[in-house]
Amino acid sequence: GQSLEQPSEVTAVEGAIVQINCTYQTSGFYGLSWYQQHDGGAPTFLSYNALDGLEETGRFSSFLSRSDSYGYLLLQELQMKDSASYFCAVNRYNFNKFYFGSGTKLNVKP
Amino acid sequence: DGGITQSPKYLFRKEGQNVTLSCEQNLNHDAMYWYRQDPGQGLRLIYYSQIVNDFQKGDIAEGYSVSREKKESFPLTVTSAQKNPTAFYLCASTSERDNEQFFGPGTRLTVL
Repeated sequence: GQSLEQPSEVTAVEGAIVQINCTYQTSGFYGLSWYQQHDGGAPTFLSYNALDGLEETGRFSSFLSRSDSYGYLLLQELQMKDSASYFCAVNRYNFNKFYFGSGTKLNVKP
Repeated sequence: DGGITQSPKYLFRKEGQNVTLSCEQNLNHDAMYWYRQDPGQGLRLIYYSQIVNDFQKGDIAEGYSVSREKKESFPLTVTSAQKNPTAFYLCASTSERDNEQFFGPGTRLTVL
């Protein structure tokens, strides 16, 4: 099977930097992606790592290390609107099926 | 504007009834997916379809059925055999070139 582990909840203050980790037990996947979901809303795509290393998109960066079965999402200059749940996901070679972690709820405080 | 639409937004069902959730996309994507999300949980795959007239079971297909008669449409039927159907249902699509999923706004189903 496959599993993706994330911390259930993280709290940080406005303007700070926060890192959300994702460790996985799966193989044969194309890449690791991250999604943001506000309460009651649909997930929206943030970033994708097909290769090891760091991908930067504005205030958000994502990292993947296949040898360590580990990735993270880095959010800089936190804003109140960043309060949401964040999910890591892998898409496997088998029919491009996506598997999601259980999500990390980020609370940004003033 | 291209995107995915789901209807209805809220749905109430009595026990023993089948209900069908609509999902339509105009992104010209081949692959479509249905997920279930329970409070405070991640997304679990119910069914997915890579092409028209073909679909496969995901991890929690029992009590659900789908059809894919058109590229744009992938409706999900929640049958009376689904023991605990109250959840948030999300439809998504993915183009073959991308590894990004596009989600609809979701349908929140409540069984009374």
